[in-house]
Amino acid sequence: DAGITQSPRHKVTETGTPVTLRCHQTENHRYMYWYRQDPGHGLRLIHYSYGVKDTDKGEVSDGYSVSRSKTEDFLLTLESATSSQTSVYFCATRTGGYENNTQYFGPGTRLTVL
Amino acid sequence: QKEVEQNSGPLSVPEGAIASLNCTYSDRVSQSFFWYRQYSGKSPELIMSIYSNGDKEDGRFTAQLNKASQYVSLLIRDSQPSDSATYLCAVLNTGGFKTIFGAGTRLFVKA
Repeated sequence: DAGITQSPRHKVTETGTPVTLRCHQTENHRYMYWYRQDPGHGLRLIHYSYGVKDTDKGEVSDGYSVSRSKTEDFLLTLESATSSQTSVYFCATRTGGYENNTQYFGPGTRLTVL
Repeated sequence: QKEVEQNSGPLSVPEGAIASLNCTYSDRVSQSFFWYRQYSGKSPELIMSIYSNGDKEDGRFTAQLNKASQYVSLLIRDSQPSDSATYLCAVLNTGGFKTIFGAGTRLFVKA
């Protein structure tokens, strides 16, 4: 297993508060991803990173920002949480290249916004 | 049209039967295709990848790819109750950075 941890694993917060989720990897993988998973929608990409300080938006990036200051850490921030952001958030990593596209997923963070 | 489409199921098969899971994708130039398995409350894990037209077998699993029809399938032979999970079809986009996932098919294998 790729060494991917996410923190916190569970969080309950109130509408309007900022929230930061952390993803930490020990595999030195170049690519890192943040997904959200909701019933009926599968995994939807929020943001991704293809290197330190190199990030780009996914399909559902509104209301989210990310930062990657080190290879091993990828932070996802909800600047002002809304109830529509209640979801399970997964971080994933990938080594790189077309031949190495296995994505390794972290255990997930369950976020509830009241 | 969604980029990757799957029947949400649930698909129910008896133990020992063949389970057939299907997926279609919209990007005609996609080259890399994947099946992930996700148990309830757990994170997805890769079970098969396929890059060329035809069949690829790994144990009880066979992935099938038909690029002309933009169709990917996963066959599970001798299905076991432990195969009960959600199966996610995924396609690497042409830029090579992003993997697009389908919504998943729930499979139940009845003992």
